[in-house]
Amino acid sequence: DQQVKQNSPSLSVQEGRISILNCDYTNSMFDYFLWYKKYPAEGPTFLISISSIKDKNEDGRFTVFLNKSAKHLSLHIVPSQPGDSAVYFCAASPSGGYQKVTFGTGTKLQVIP
Amino acid sequence: NAGVTQTPKFRILKIGQSMTLQCAQDMNHNYMYWYRQDPGMGLKLIYYSVGAGITDKGEVPNGYNVSRSTTEDFPLRLELAAPSQTSVYFCASSYSGRELFFGEGSRLTVL
Repeated sequence: DQQVKQNSPSLSVQEGRISILNCDYTNSMFDYFLWYKKYPAEGPTFLISISSIKDKNEDGRFTVFLNKSAKHLSLHIVPSQPGDSAVYFCAASPSGGYQKVTFGTGTKLQVIP
Repeated sequence: NAGVTQTPKFRILKIGQSMTLQCAQDMNHNYMYWYRQDPGMGLKLIYYSVGAGITDKGEVPNGYNVSRSTTEDFPLRLELAAPSQTSVYFCASSYSGRELFFGEGSRLTVL
């Protein structure tokens, strides 16, 4: 039962263009969503998050959009840079309790110079 | 500033052997987690802890045990290693239970 789904295992984008990474979730109890970035042989690092009370959050080149009715979120990277090449994980946590974070399977982004 | 430190980074075990993956954090975080990542899969939660003396099972706890005697340390014990436990293991800590800080991972192979 995959509660957080990233249906695109990989994505290639030209340097300078926009990268859009998508994520769908099924659990209505999720109220906080996060994106993590992972380079090979390293642990994931937190990138950006969004609460369910918002529909957009920006941090520099990174913007996360949340569509609660569709249970869908996306990460936009503009402009994409070669250093952005990594695996991106979508994650979600429920309201209350111990905030157990559930991760998606990841999307490998390759930014081509 | 060490953050989350995992040891060892690599280990090869024979079937039936036991071992402990060590995890330590120096950020005074109450929340700590163990995840495993299999090829092509996301991170699966094995165990988590909300503070010293308190632990609970995640999605895939079978074959593992944990303890949390101090805020800093959260070791993961593998008893009777099996090939299905071949994976990369990540320890993480958090102040809020939301944003997690991860260690570099421990790659375990069971032959």
